[in-house]
Amino acid sequence: GNSVTQMEGPVTLSEEAFLTINCTYTATGYPSLFWYVQYPGEGLQLLLKATKADDKGSNKGFEATYRKETTSFHLEKGSVQVSDSAVYFCALSGAGSYQLTFGKGTKLSVIP
Amino acid sequence: DAGITQSPRYKITETGRQVTLMCHQTWSHSYMFWYRQDLGHGLRLIYYSAAADITDKGEVPDGYVVSRSKTENFPLTLESATRSQTSVYFCASRQRGQDNQPQHFGDGTRLSIL
Repeated sequence: GNSVTQMEGPVTLSEEAFLTINCTYTATGYPSLFWYVQYPGEGLQLLLKATKADDKGSNKGFEATYRKETTSFHLEKGSVQVSDSAVYFCALSGAGSYQLTFGKGTKLSVIP
Repeated sequence: DAGITQSPRYKITETGRQVTLMCHQTWSHSYMFWYRQDLGHGLRLIYYSAAADITDKGEVPDGYVVSRSKTENFPLTLESATRSQTSVYFCASRQRGQDNQPQHFGDGTRLSIL
């Protein structure tokens, strides 16, 4: 079956530091890949997505590239802010499926 | 405002009680989902629905019941609540179409079973 593995946190960074959260997946065919963000006390919000190999999703300074050869979709941001403190989830939707498979989430704390 | 709303936001109840969590979406999305979020487990799918009157079990359905008589509503019922069902519950919806359609989430219901 499908699975998503992402680095476990928590991750603590200073403001303006570079962020990488690793995500790798197992799936048959060509899944669609997503990053969701969850701020404290809220639901999950779509951060970015990519639907085919070599696609780059981007939003709010975050980027992730769909790497078929390494089955990865790592999330990056060049300069984090305190407001980026949240839990980040990597997820995939398998080919022909409407269900999402989630990683366990990575909690990011950014300190001033 | 359009969107997906869950009620109540917080609920405390006792073991053995029946409790229903409500979910309402205004997009007319075909697909709806219920998840529970627990520390160390991430999000786990409880039940999902592809359309009105069509529901199916997810990863952790035991102890839960769902119905979907109208497209916009997808209530989740705990028939006899247990402490292990203390969790944060999220409802989500998605439109029919290509695989790359994202799911949209409500703000969750924090449920405590005493």
